[in-house]
Amino acid sequence: EPEVTQTPSHQVTQMGQEVILRCVPISNHLYFYWYRQILGQKVEFLVSFYNNEISEKSEIFDDQFSVERPDGSNFTLKIRSTKLEDSAMYFCASQWTGKEKLFFGSGTQLSVL
Amino acid sequence: AQRVTQPEKLLSVFKGAPVELKCNYSYSGSPELFWYVQYSRQRLQLLLRHISRESIKGFTADLNKGETSFHLKKPFAQEEDSAMYYCVAGGSNYKLTFGKGTLLTVNP
Repeated sequence: EPEVTQTPSHQVTQMGQEVILRCVPISNHLYFYWYRQILGQKVEFLVSFYNNEISEKSEIFDDQFSVERPDGSNFTLKIRSTKLEDSAMYFCASQWTGKEKLFFGSGTQLSVL
Repeated sequence: AQRVTQPEKLLSVFKGAPVELKCNYSYSGSPELFWYVQYSRQRLQLLLRHISRESIKGFTADLNKGETSFHLKKPFAQEEDSAMYYCVAGGSNYKLTFGKGTLLTVNP
């Protein structure tokens, strides 16, 4: 079965630094998502992306966050100036249409020190 | 506001025993309900969705709109069922709302 790939699996950064989390969705998928899970808490929606633009975002997804699909294959999440509370597991997901199941990546564990 | 409640953080049963993981939802409109599972060191994956009404790995879940519940059931638990289970509600644009999850442990 095709997979969503996320890199790196672990990222450690200093507070205030920029990080870019990378995702390669399944090739013919059209809808892309980022979710995150802070340790001990539930998985939370961050943003959805379709047709090269954000279709919906949560209140967590403030001006420090941005997403991009620069080359038609990668889907990136950038955090411009990381805060301690950004430490979490970040999951990328993709979907062929808005009605099909989501395929999740294995996640990137971000630790902000 | 959309909310999915899984009242049990941990659930432990013995192999062969029935298991029920509870889920209640509060959602405007007619959400689609799912159960996602995460086995140890593996990615989140879809277990089942209410519209397909199918049984996966012996699990079933019935959507009860009157009680706004979507409990996951299996008559005879197996050790390989040990995992974290998330009840999830989805609306338009498939923005998913996750419950906090229930860690199921099936003891030999």
